[in-house]
Amino acid sequence: GESVGLHLPTLSVQEGDNSIINCAYSNSASDYFIWYKQESGKGPQFIIDIRSNMDKRQGQRVTVLLNKTVKHLSLQIAATQPGDSAVYFCAESGGDTGRRALTFGSGTRLQVQP
Amino acid sequence: NAGVTQTPKFQVLKTGQSMTLQCAQDMNHEYMSWYRQDPGMGLRLIHYSVGAGITDQGEVPNGYNVSRSTTEDFPLRLLSAAPSQTSVYFCASSYWMPGLSSGANVLTFGAGSRLTVL
Repeated sequence: GESVGLHLPTLSVQEGDNSIINCAYSNSASDYFIWYKQESGKGPQFIIDIRSNMDKRQGQRVTVLLNKTVKHLSLQIAATQPGDSAVYFCAESGGDTGRRALTFGSGTRLQVQP
Repeated sequence: NAGVTQTPKFQVLKTGQSMTLQCAQDMNHEYMSWYRQDPGMGLRLIHYSVGAGITDQGEVPNGYNVSRSTTEDFPLRLLSAAPSQTSVYFCASSYWMPGLSSGANVLTFGAGSRLTVL
């Protein structure tokens, strides 16, 4: 498969543990945030999103937390499985950039040890 | 549904050659965009379109052209390929989300096109 990032920060967890992946954003006017998962050789896949009028949103085994005070976003994965091994990207949009698009972070590689 | 289809999946070019990366979606999405992905740099926006006949520049537009003559298609043209354009290119589309300042929504991505410029 294709390498999606040779120098990404890496989080290594044991199967069954909970994972927390963090993301800092810079635009205090951003009003929409989203997490993507990217497996080797594939395009990014949507995991979960959150608007700025919320501070927490839950999905199946995943939770996104938004702290607008410190401009921090996190993705929590419960009971991490080997299939969760991938690169995870946060993205944001909105504010006064004038550009109608998602801006992506550089990604975190999650490695799940069996 | 095929979703977002990109062709070709792999391409090797020589410096100075031109080519077009094709992108088609069958979801009737108004919004389409092109990103490039380089190691350690995440995805960077090249160009985007909010509807047929409308395009705009992203973060790294130089050396690329786009057009949007139909809702379904959003080709990316490299005018004169350079080694710095060696990358993996992703096309993505979405519905437009009202109520957000940017309107950006959940993007559906294609499988990617790996381009190598020698």
